[in-house]
Amino acid sequence: SYDLTQPLSVSVALGQTATITCGGDNIRSKNVHWYQQKAGQAPVVVMYGNTNRPSGIPERLSGSHSANTATLTISRAQAGDEADYYCQVWDSTTEVVFGAGTKLTVL
Amino acid sequence: QVQLVQSGPEVKKPGASVKVSCKASGYSFTAYYLYWVRQAPGQGLEWMGWINPNNAATVYAQKFQGRVTMTSDTSVSTADMEFNRLRSDDTAVYYCARLVATEVATPHFDYWGQGTLVTVSS
Repeated sequence: SYDLTQPLSVSVALGQTATITCGGDNIRSKNVHWYQQKAGQAPVVVMYGNTNRPSGIPERLSGSHSANTATLTISRAQAGDEADYYCQVWDSTTEVVFGAGTKLTVL
Repeated sequence: QVQLVQSGPEVKKPGASVKVSCKASGYSFTAYYLYWVRQAPGQGLEWMGWINPNNAATVYAQKFQGRVTMTSDTSVSTADMEFNRLRSDDTAVYYCARLVATEVATPHFDYWGQGTLVTVSS
C-alpha cells in the first residue's frame, strides 16, 4: 500500500507563511488533494489536483509538488487558518489514501 | 445548493449493529459516487468504501469487508451504511462524502456530510 507522511504539527506566526508537506514515494506522479478540517467540523477541500483551488478558497493558499513531496503553502496566515490539514491521493483506481494530518497552529 | 445531511448520533453496545444515513439534496443523486470515511477520536481519516447510487455497485476497504454494507435508495436520495459486530475501537465520527471527477485531476471529495458520531461502549 502507498503511504503518505505529514508532520504532526506546524506553527506559524500571524501574517507569516506556513508550509505543510506531504511525502510519498514518487508523489509527483500522483494528483494530491488537500483538505482542511476545523475543530468539530467536516473536512473541506482546499486544493485539488496539486494546484487547483476550489471556488471560495483564497489565493493565499497554493499547492506544489516535487519528486517525493507535495506542499500546501498558506501565505499571510490568519487565525481562521488554524485547522488540521490532510493530503490525499489514489493508490489505485479504488484505493483512497489519506495522510495522517498536520495540525496548523497560528501564533 | 448541494447538501449531505446525516442521521444523528448513536450509542451502541459491543457486538451490535448501526446504520448511518446520508440524505443528498441539490444535485442528481445518481450522478456521483458516495464514499464513507470515518475518523476515530483524535485520529485521521480512514475510508471505508463507496457506493455508486446509479447501479448500487459497492467496493469496501479490505479492513471492513464482511462487517459493512452500503446501500442507496434513489427514490429518497439517501445512502445508508450499516456496520456490524461493533467493537469499542469502532467509536468514531462517520462521514459520507461526494466524489467529483474533474478534467484536470483525479477525483476528489467536494462535499461532506456533517458527520455522525457512533459510540460503542458497554
